Amino acid sequence: DQQVKQNSPSLSVQEGRISILNCDYTNSMFDYFLWYKKYPAEGPTFLISISSIKDKNEDGRFTVFLNKSAKHLSLHIVPSQPGDSAVYFCAAKFRYNFNKFYFGSGTKLNVKP
Amino acid sequence: DTEVTQTPKHLVMGMTNKKSLKCEQHMGHRAMYWYKQKAKKPPELMFVYSYEKLSINESVPSRFSPECPNSSLLNLHLHALQPEDSALYLCASSQDLDRRSTNYGYTFGSGTRLTVV
Repeated sequence: DQQVKQNSPSLSVQEGRISILNCDYTNSMFDYFLWYKKYPAEGPTFLISISSIKDKNEDGRFTVFLNKSAKHLSLHIVPSQPGDSAVYFCAAKFRYNFNKFYFGSGTKLNVKP
Repeated sequence: DTEVTQTPKHLVMGMTNKKSLKCEQHMGHRAMYWYKQKAKKPPELMFVYSYEKLSINESVPSRFSPECPNSSLLNLHLHALQPEDSALYLCASSQDLDRRSTNYGYTFGSGTRLTVV
């Protein structure tokens, strides 16, 4: 059973608007979360991360929010650009298990010009 | 050099063949990983090497055999695979991760698309 879930396989957004990608997890022992972006024919690229001691981390147009009580994190992209069109994966790891990440199945974002 | 290079990009092999996937990085990373990803599924961890020693084997069948000849290279030897092993095989590397780490992000290669016929 997947411990990290991305329930929306796809999302379509107009250029300039906000994209919100969601991720849910089942295990409260996860202590670190990451988002990766993947273009076709390329490997996933690290985008942004957040530790469980924080509830928000921002990097330019990308902000990740963590709601521990709801076991939910989200990635906000503002403003969205056509070049952001890709598959986005969230991933999580357990405390003291440093080399193993659990990935969601991905959300395909399409930003329309 | 901030890349992880995987070869070949595509591989078709028969169930009796022996082949190898190769992965190379020159970022000084001391942890290297093999992941397997099937369509519309998340990447699944197969193996982790830390300082050239196998540290995690996620109960992968013995028809997959990893090898880390040095800190820059990671191989995955394939033998007697099944059609259900067809998938995208991703290699990744990172700084060796421990409780002092502040960034746990991997650098992934672009993958080898494997088809077993």
